[in-house]
Amino acid sequence: EDQVTQSPEALRLQEGESSSLNCSYTVSGLRGLFWYRQDPGKGPEFLFTLYSAGEEKEKERLKATLTKKESFLHITAPKPEDSATYLCAVQAAGGYQKVTFGTGTKLQVIP
Amino acid sequence: ETGVTQSPTHLIKTRGQQVTLRCSSQSGHNTVSWYQQALGQGPQFIFQYYREEENGRGNFPPRFSGLQFPNYSSELNVNALELDDSALYLCASSLELRAREMTDTQYFGPGTRLTVL
Repeated sequence: EDQVTQSPEALRLQEGESSSLNCSYTVSGLRGLFWYRQDPGKGPEFLFTLYSAGEEKEKERLKATLTKKESFLHITAPKPEDSATYLCAVQAAGGYQKVTFGTGTKLQVIP
Repeated sequence: ETGVTQSPTHLIKTRGQQVTLRCSSQSGHNTVSWYQQALGQGPQFIFQYYREEENGRGNFPPRFSGLQFPNYSSELNVNALELDDSALYLCASSLELRAREMTDTQYFGPGTRLTVL
C-alpha cells in the first residue's frame, strides 16, 4: 500500500528564516509526486508535480526536489503569507489515478 | 478557463439522513476524484470517475456512491449519515489520456464542509 509521511507536523519560522519540509514516500513505482498548499477550510492549491529522481522545480520562494525515497520543499526567506499547511501526495504507476496524501506540515511564519 | 467548483459550501445534516454533494470539473478535464478530509488530516481517497464510470475506490463503505455526467460534472451521495462523516469533502478534476498513460495533476475545488449532528 502506498504511504506518505511528512515531517515536521508543524513548523514555526521567523520571517526570512529559510527551512525545508520533508516528505518520505513508499510506492510501487512512482508516477508522480505532488505538492499542494492548503489554507484553513479551503481546497488544496497545486504547487508542483515531480516525476523522477533528481528533478527540481521552483516557484517564487519555493523549491521542490525529489529523490527515490523522499521529496523536500525548500522555503527561502519566507513571508507571513506563506503560512499554510503543505501537503505532499504520490500517485503510483499503472491503474487509476488514486492519489495518496500525507497529513501535511503546518507552517507558521511570524513577522 | 473555469476552475473546479463545488456546491454547497456548507451543509448541516442529522444522523441517518442522506446528502448529495456536487462538483463541476475544470474545463477540458475528463476525470473526477472525491476525497474526504477530516480536521487535521490529509485528504482520503473515496473514489474516482472516468468517462461516467467508477474507476477506482478507496476504503469507504457502499453508502458512499457517486455519479459522473456526460459533461464530466459529478455527484457524491452519502446515505445513512454517521457522526464520523463530518468532514471537508473535496472534489478534484484532471485529464487522463489512457492511450499515452499520461498523468495530469489533479486540481481541487474549494470543498463542501459537511457537519452531521
